[in-house]
Amino acid sequence: SYELTQPPSVSVSPGQTARITCSGDALPEKYAYWYQQKSGQAPALVIYEDNKRPSGIPERFSGSSSGTVATLAISGAQVDDEADYYCYSTDSSGIEVFGGGTKLTVL
Amino acid sequence: EVHLVESGGGLVQPGGSLRLSCAASGFTFNRFWMHWVRQAPGKGLVWLSRISINGSITNYADSVKGRFTISRDNAKNTVYLQMSSLRVEDTAVYYCASPGPIDYWGQGTLVTVSS
Repeated sequence: SYELTQPPSVSVSPGQTARITCSGDALPEKYAYWYQQKSGQAPALVIYEDNKRPSGIPERFSGSSSGTVATLAISGAQVDDEADYYCYSTDSSGIEVFGGGTKLTVL
Repeated sequence: EVHLVESGGGLVQPGGSLRLSCAASGFTFNRFWMHWVRQAPGKGLVWLSRISINGSITNYADSVKGRFTISRDNAKNTVYLQMSSLRVEDTAVYYCASPGPIDYWGQGTLVTVSS
């Protein structure tokens, strides 16, 4: 079955840029979406269709995709950005999948 | 305001069945594919299933194929997940959602499979 691979954890200091990667064989043809999930809350979309920000998401969140790797970047990371981040996409047959998640620590 | 409200979770014994419901309001339900996603305690998100606008197309993750059935009633703005042959590893918070550029999620309902 199709898999999206993320690093389990990323750590940055406040004000630095955090980058979280997502690897998947179908990403050259399929969009990546990125979700933020804080403890005890439902996931919240922060990036859709590789690089678009939903209304209300700060400009410091950006997305890109090149080949089989999609990347979520958080510039000027803040303590409030600490959360689990998940990439989401589909395989070539249309089955949807989440990456394993990345715990972002800002300290 | 958009609301997705899941219900039907609870404690069930291994091998048992449960039907989850998700009532939608605040958006045009019959224009959106609907999905179920789960999250085991302390674990990541897992996509389970989706259903097309008119219910004619359904897809499932391998982990639940043949045990879970998704359906919808557009007249009631509700999507369902019928779960059978439940296993301890099915214990999770179950979310209904319509993920995508227009992104809606419920708050989840807890299903505990235990003897």
